Amino acid sequence: AQSVTQLDSHVSVSEGTPVLLRCNYSSSYSPSLFWYVQHPNKGLQLLLKYTSAATLVKGINGFEAEFKKSETSFHLTKPSAHMSDAAEYFCVVTLSGGYNKLIFGAGTRLAVHP
Amino acid sequence: DTEVTQTPKHLVMGMTNKKSLKCEQHMGHRAMYWYKQKAKKPPELMFVYSYEKLSINESVPSRFSPECPNSSLLNLHLHALQPEDSALYLCASSLGQQANVLTFGAGSRLTVL
Repeated sequence: AQSVTQLDSHVSVSEGTPVLLRCNYSSSYSPSLFWYVQHPNKGLQLLLKYTSAATLVKGINGFEAEFKKSETSFHLTKPSAHMSDAAEYFCVVTLSGGYNKLIFGAGTRLAVHP
Repeated sequence: DTEVTQTPKHLVMGMTNKKSLKCEQHMGHRAMYWYKQKAKKPPELMFVYSYEKLSINESVPSRFSPECPNSSLLNLHLHALQPEDSALYLCASSLGQQANVLTFGAGSRLTVL
């Protein structure tokens, strides 16, 4: 069965410093992995996705994530945080092919301070 | 058009009311989804429609009744709800049920009094 664990419920950084949001997954099959962002009172926006191509995935707004099969991790990073990055971030796993059920992590709330 | 549009943005209803949430997309997507999201929690899948047919019902109580009139529209009919049903209801769509990239709407915030 698939599952995903976001290791931090809250992360706080200063503007201009690097961001690291951690995600570990469990999957018996070749997974597809995603990061979604949700700003307050908004829907979810896809940041990036991994679907068995390049292990380093670049997304929107300067975010990227690296798929590490040996560590079963898919951590999200950004070199320099911006105030507008403050939001809830969800790591998501799903099976490749077959019924498309998204398995969400519990979420990480990112706070960015001036 | 790359959006999923949900109306209304906010809805307050009593436990005896009947109301509906609406969702629309014009991206040619053939799979549409309803999710429920409680505060500070991830979204939970409720229903999946594939080619206008109900494909998945995640054991949702019958007071929630989905409807897919055509490939662009998805409704969620609400009747006799409970206060614990208060949540953000998110609609999403994808190219097909096997396409795993979902486009989400901004959600409808429901409050049940």
